[in-house]
Amino acid sequence: KAGVTQTPRYLIKTRGQQVTLSCSPISGHRSVSWYQQTPGQGLQFLFEYFSETQRNKGNFPGRFSGRQFSNSRSEMNVSTLELGDSALYLCASSLQGSNTGELFFGEGSRLTVL
Amino acid sequence: AQSVTQPDIHITVSEGASLELRCNYSYGATPYLFWYVQSPGQGLQLLLKYFSGDTLVQGIKGFEAEFKRSQSSFNLRKPSVHWSDAAEYFCAVGASGTYKYIFGTGTRLKVLA
Repeated sequence: KAGVTQTPRYLIKTRGQQVTLSCSPISGHRSVSWYQQTPGQGLQFLFEYFSETQRNKGNFPGRFSGRQFSNSRSEMNVSTLELGDSALYLCASSLQGSNTGELFFGEGSRLTVL
Repeated sequence: AQSVTQPDIHITVSEGASLELRCNYSYGATPYLFWYVQSPGQGLQLLLKYFSGDTLVQGIKGFEAEFKRSQSSFNLRKPSVHWSDAAEYFCAVGASGTYKYIFGTGTRLKVLA
C-alpha cells in the first residue's frame, strides 16, 4: 500500500512568488492535515480537511490556503512568499475523520524562499 | 494556553543504555497524547499513543510511555537503545474530533556506539 505522497519534494522560489504543494493520501484515507516544520517554530498546524471540507485552520495569515478534492487529494497554496515561509511542509492522512486513529505523514515538501 | 514542552533539546546515550525522553503538556480538555519519531529527511512516524485506559502504553520498536495526569507528563522510555534509534522525537497533544495537534519542539537523540 503506497504511503502519503507529496510533490514536489524540493523547490526553490523567490520572494513574492506563489507556490502550490500537492498531497496524495493513502488510498481510502479521507482526512488530510498539513503542518509547517521550521527549526525555530517546530511543527505548526496549518489545515485539516475531511471530505472536501476544511474542519480546522491554524494561526497562519491568509496567504496560506488549501483545498481538498473529491478523491481526497489535497493542495496547499502560499501566495506572496516571504523568506520566513522557508520550511518543510508536511502532509498527513488518516482513515477516519475524527481523532481516533493514526496520522500517517508524508516525507514533506521542502520549500526554500530566496 | 495549550502547550507541549520537551525540556531536552539534545540527548546522547550509549548503545544499550536506557532512555527516557520527557514531555509535559498543558491542555484544557482531556488530552490525546502521542509520540512521533522523525529520521533525517523523513516524515513523522507514530511510536505510540494514549487516549484512555491503562496509563502505561506500549509502542513500536520497543518504546513505552507513561501518562501521569497529576504531573501532566507523558514520558517516553526504552530499556535498551539501539544505534538505529538515533532520530528526533516529538511529543504531541490533541483532542477528540480533530487532528489539530500541538507538537513539542522535539528532542534529538544521538546514540554512541
